Amino acid sequence: GQQVKQSSPSLTVQEGGISILNCDYENDMFDYFAWYKKYPDNSPTLLISVRSNVDKREDGRLTVFLNKSGKHFSLHITASQPEDTAVYLCAAGEGQGGSAKLIFGEGTKLTVSS
Amino acid sequence: EAAVTQSPRSKVAVTGGKVTLSCHQTNNHDYMYWYRQDTGHGLRLIHYSYVADSTEKGDIPDGYKASRPSQENFSLILELASLSQTAVYFCASSDAGSNTGQLYFGEGSKLTVL
Repeated sequence: GQQVKQSSPSLTVQEGGISILNCDYENDMFDYFAWYKKYPDNSPTLLISVRSNVDKREDGRLTVFLNKSGKHFSLHITASQPEDTAVYLCAAGEGQGGSAKLIFGEGTKLTVSS
Repeated sequence: EAAVTQSPRSKVAVTGGKVTLSCHQTNNHDYMYWYRQDTGHGLRLIHYSYVADSTEKGDIPDGYKASRPSQENFSLILELASLSQTAVYFCASSDAGSNTGQLYFGEGSKLTVL
């Protein structure tokens, strides 16, 4: 089965609004969680990541919330802009540093309308 | 700047033919991965490698082989290409000592099997 799941294939948000992207996972052993951004015909790039020892991490307009008991993490993008329009991939893995073998979700296509 | 390059960037193959996708990284990273991207499935891990001359099976290894002849190079081999292997393939590398666990992706190789 799908170990990492993004239940919403698409999301549309008005410019200036808050985009909330959600991800659920199954494996209790996952201790590394990340969000990647992908433009069409481009490769994914890391946006933000957290370890399981924190519940929240902020980086500019981005915030990751981690709910370990619920096996859920989310990405909040404040003041959404048209250039935020892209596919967002959540990923989770187990391991230290770069050794976490990442399992990706199916992706959520975010459209920010002006 | 991290650099992962893939070749070919695009290929059309016939069913039953052999296909080799190559990946080269200049990051001095120990870990390398091959993912495939399909609509609705996000990125799925095919094979990965933690060290030269050793490869591991990912989540969907059937129909694929991998080869890691050196730290810099990681190939994905389809001995008998099938229609279902039409996809975009991404190679990635990561640093074992990284705190972020970041994957650095190549540009992708679009494979069409006819």
